[in-house]
Amino acid sequence: GENVEQHPSTLSVQEGDSAVIKCTYSDSASNYFPWYKQELGKRPQLIIDIRSNVGEKKDQRIAVTLNKTAKHFSLHITETQPEDSAVYFCAASSDNNDMRFGAGTRLTVKP
Amino acid sequence: DARVTQTPRHKVTEMGQEVTMRCQPILGHNTVFWYRQTMMQGLELLAYFRNRAPLDDSGMPKDRFSAEMPDATLATLKIQPSEPRDSAVYFCASGFGGYREKLFFGSGTQLSVL
Repeated sequence: GENVEQHPSTLSVQEGDSAVIKCTYSDSASNYFPWYKQELGKRPQLIIDIRSNVGEKKDQRIAVTLNKTAKHFSLHITETQPEDSAVYFCAASSDNNDMRFGAGTRLTVKP
Repeated sequence: DARVTQTPRHKVTEMGQEVTMRCQPILGHNTVFWYRQTMMQGLELLAYFRNRAPLDDSGMPKDRFSAEMPDATLATLKIQPSEPRDSAVYFCASGFGGYREKLFFGSGTQLSVL
């Protein structure tokens, strides 16, 4: 089955700086890579996703890149704000396959 | 605004007791996932249903856990007997379609087994 690894487990940045979270996956058949944000005490919510036919996708301050050859994908947050502080999860899935999550990254943005 | 509904929100029980958690997926969604979240394990997949059929429950301890979908509007996760190590937040999530599934999570059930 799919195995998703996520790094780093914790990340602390100064407000206004960029944050990068990286994930690798094992199943070459995986073709869908979402990112979820979970604020303290809340449910995980999708913030951005990317399909395997695209190398990069951007939504305002958030971008995701995908390298299928190397089987890794990354989340980039620019101009970080305190409200970006949360746990971020990457995930991977393929046709007829379940959704496997990484272990999460706790991002802290210091004012 | 359609949401996945989970009950109960909180459950405190004693070791050895049966625990049943319920999930109502978003109407029209045909996939349901159960995840367990602890500080150490992140989001751990327990079971996965598509069109009410169990597709993958390899992450679930079979001797004490069971997951079912008696109908399209209800998914259940049972633990019998419960143990202190089962203490965690249990999330249900639903989605629609085949691959490329955007999942919608419920609010979770905070389980404490004393």
